[in-house]
Amino acid sequence: GENVEQHPSTLSVQEGDSAVIKCTYSDSASNYFPWYKQELGKRPQLIIDIRSNVGEKKDQRIAVTLNKTAKHFSLHITETQPEDSAVYFCAASSNFGNEKLTFGTGTRLTIIP
Amino acid sequence: DGGITQSPKYLFRKEGQNVTLSCEQNLNHDAMYWYRQDPGQGLRLIYYSQIVNDFQKGDIAEGYSVSREKKESFPLTVTSAQKNPTAFYLCASSFRLLTQNTEAFFGQGTRLTVV
Repeated sequence: GENVEQHPSTLSVQEGDSAVIKCTYSDSASNYFPWYKQELGKRPQLIIDIRSNVGEKKDQRIAVTLNKTAKHFSLHITETQPEDSAVYFCAASSNFGNEKLTFGTGTRLTIIP
Repeated sequence: DGGITQSPKYLFRKEGQNVTLSCEQNLNHDAMYWYRQDPGQGLRLIYYSQIVNDFQKGDIAEGYSVSREKKESFPLTVTSAQKNPTAFYLCASSFRLLTQNTEAFFGQGTRLTVV
């Protein structure tokens, strides 16, 4: 089955700097890669996703890049703000047979004012 | 509130007892999922269902059971066979992930504590 690894597990950056979180996956059939943000005590919420027919997708300060050859994808947050502090999860899913989302172990991002 | 509701928010159980966690969605989603969240371990898939009356084991199904008798509902039973049931449980639902412009929505979670 699919295995998703996520690094780093914790990340602290100065407000205004950029943050990068990286994930690798094992199943070459995977073709959907979402990123979720979970604030303390709340449910995970989708912040951006990418499908394997594109290599990069951007939404304001957030971008995701995908390298299908190397089987890795990354989340980039620019101009970080205190409200970006949260736990971020990457995930991967294939569309063969029964689709399911396999998550990484999460990155706790702390923005230092 | 996202259209997916989990209840209760907090649940206490005595050792040796079964307990059922509720998950209901009104988003007309085909697929529903149960995840367990422990500190430092991310979200681990317990069971998932793509259609009514069908479900599959995830990565950590032992000690859990589910049913999918209705499209809107996917209850999870934590049985006494689950050795370490204290955790935060999250339910999610989505259209088939093949579909463009779809995403998985999560419920607010149930925190289960075994006492």
